[in-house]
Amino acid sequence: EAGVAQSPRYKIIEKRQSVAFWCNPISGHATLYWYQQILGQGPKLLIQFQNNGVVDDSQLPKDRFSAERLKGVDSTLKIQPAKLEDSAVYLCASSGLAGRGPYEQYFGPGTRLTVT
Amino acid sequence: GENVGLHLPTLSVQEGDNSIINCAYSNSASDYFIWYKQESGKGPQFIIDIRSNMDKRQGQRVTVLLNKTVKHLSLQIAATQPGDSAVYFCAEKKAAGNKLTFGGGTRVLVKP
Repeated sequence: EAGVAQSPRYKIIEKRQSVAFWCNPISGHATLYWYQQILGQGPKLLIQFQNNGVVDDSQLPKDRFSAERLKGVDSTLKIQPAKLEDSAVYLCASSGLAGRGPYEQYFGPGTRLTVT
Repeated sequence: GENVGLHLPTLSVQEGDNSIINCAYSNSASDYFIWYKQESGKGPQFIIDIRSNMDKRQGQRVTVLLNKTVKHLSLQIAATQPGDSAVYFCAEKKAAGNKLTFGGGTRVLVKP
């Protein structure tokens, strides 16, 4: 089966600019996650969707970050305005009933964001 | 609070030897513990998991051990190969929902 797709793979922007990332989960996966992974650290959950509803966004900096999953499939994550500390890899993951367990998350390759 | 961490940031292993990666956790409410492998430029990849009511689980060349008494998790890789070079993360899942909390990662370097 096709994996989780993300684009772009790399993005360089200046601080205070805006940026958007796109994710296409594995077909049929109802749950979609966005993680932020700062260099040398483990991924940190930003937001979790179940279909097109938000399950957990407790760690999403809502003053500058937003995410949507309007049709319950693709998702976009936006940062506006970006800060230097937003430099990180943004990972998208999805999970569903198929696979080893409903919680098993399949990750995309990530988008590496550099804010200068 | 929640805390999943690793003792060793870098582990150098001779090819063919066994590797052991350790992880400490502090949240007793987790029902699953999972190990992920992350190669450079890629997203984390599921390796193996273990339920909180188990103490050992084996996969292909990998074994996960869970010691709930001391809140310790380990991943053993048998006959380490160059393809095993990567960063390994442990993660825990709370009993409610699918939220994963990741530790900081251990880099494994396999020497030929």
